[in-house]
Amino acid sequence: KNEVEQSPQNLTAQEGEFITINCSYSVGISALHWLQQHPGGGIVSLFMLSSGKKKHGRLIATINIQEKHSSLHITASHPRDSAVYICAVRPNTGNQFYFGTGTSLTVIP
Amino acid sequence: DGGITQSPKYLFRKEGQNVTLSCEQNLNHDAMYWYRQDPGQGLRLIYYSQIVNDFQKGDIAEGYSVSREKKESFPLTVTSAQKNPTAFYLCASSPLQGAGYGYTFGSGTRLTVV
Repeated sequence: KNEVEQSPQNLTAQEGEFITINCSYSVGISALHWLQQHPGGGIVSLFMLSSGKKKHGRLIATINIQEKHSSLHITASHPRDSAVYICAVRPNTGNQFYFGTGTSLTVIP
Repeated sequence: DGGITQSPKYLFRKEGQNVTLSCEQNLNHDAMYWYRQDPGQGLRLIYYSQIVNDFQKGDIAEGYSVSREKKESFPLTVTSAQKNPTAFYLCASSPLQGAGYGYTFGSGTRLTVV
């Protein structure tokens, strides 16, 4: 049983396309993390959300607490955006995060 | 610059040998975590520590051991009892309190047991 489900699992896009990655979760949460993992494995935090919407450059993250759903959008995608994007949630109880299995994004020039 | 350092990046060991993975942080974070990543699966928690000299088992602690003698350091030992140790191991840290705080991750150690 995984508390965090991501879709799609794999995504291929042409450069310039608008991309959406979805994350659904089944528990009440205090925070949601969007992470990026490049080949080689290191993980970088993109956003931490507890409500609403955040934007950083071409990346936008939204969360709907009532629907237990978050989306990560990439505008004007670029080959350097190719990576695995991981959603993680922190339940209301406890300090640890639970992770989705990731969405593997490939952006073709 | 503050961050987490994991070493080594790649590690090869023979079956039956114990091996220790290093994780050091200079972020003054109270909490530290060890995760294991396998293909097609989300990160799974091995052990975590919220304070020096104390640590808790995660979901897949069998075959692993940790210590937290210093706030900055949280080494993970993969013992010979771990049946399938080949994996990618990630260390993370966070401030202890507050919903607004997320994780900082290290760059990972890829362990291959032959």
